[in-house]
Amino acid sequence: EIVLTQSPGTLSLSPGERATLSCRASQSVLSNFLAWYQQKPGQAPRLLIYGASSRATGIPDRFSGSGSGTDFTLTISRLEPEDFAVYYCQQYGSSPRYSFGQGTKLEIK
Amino acid sequence: QVQLQESGPGLVKPSETLSLTCTVSTASISSNIYNWNWIRQPPGKGLEWLGYVYYSGDTLDNPSLKSRVTMSFDTSKSQFSLKLSSVTTADTAVYYCVRGQNLAFDYWGQGILVTVS
Repeated sequence: EIVLTQSPGTLSLSPGERATLSCRASQSVLSNFLAWYQQKPGQAPRLLIYGASSRATGIPDRFSGSGSGTDFTLTISRLEPEDFAVYYCQQYGSSPRYSFGQGTKLEIK
Repeated sequence: QVQLQESGPGLVKPSETLSLTCTVSTASISSNIYNWNWIRQPPGKGLEWLGYVYYSGDTLDNPSLKSRVTMSFDTSKSQFSLKLSSVTTADTAVYYCVRGQNLAFDYWGQGILVTVS
């Protein structure tokens, strides 16, 4: 079973700053099948990035994903007020077929 | 535009079976490029994938649920369903029905809170 560990648990930044969120896997992620989601309070998660670096439909280009193997990063180049939320990484693997990291809370400083 | 909507009881007694249905509004529900998933989130906690079903009826569930999950697909009604047996208070969560594509989850229902008590 692949375990995803996200860091930091909480990230405090100001609008306009750059955010770097990390997702580390306990084993190499199959063919970089790694996705990122944003979740705001009371809402369902929203897909941001799939295949480690491909932006989902309608996602602004300030969101970017990178990484391979066991280390992946979500970068938000310049934070907007609406970007403050919880972010999850998710991998596709063997068993269980899909799993999520525990989340990083991005809060306003 | 793809829309998914969960429905079912919001309260289930311990040891009973939780049953939910997801109604999907899309013409492509019968395409084999998508799978149809259930994901849950206990209050204040993270996300857990429960399983998926294809329109063909093929299913796969999370081994952590120890075979308590049954999923099915009804193309004629554009619905898929989840049954989770022998529930305990640990199964209290918001349950989401979700479309899978490109090995990620691109469309989510709004979620339904199911309380086991």
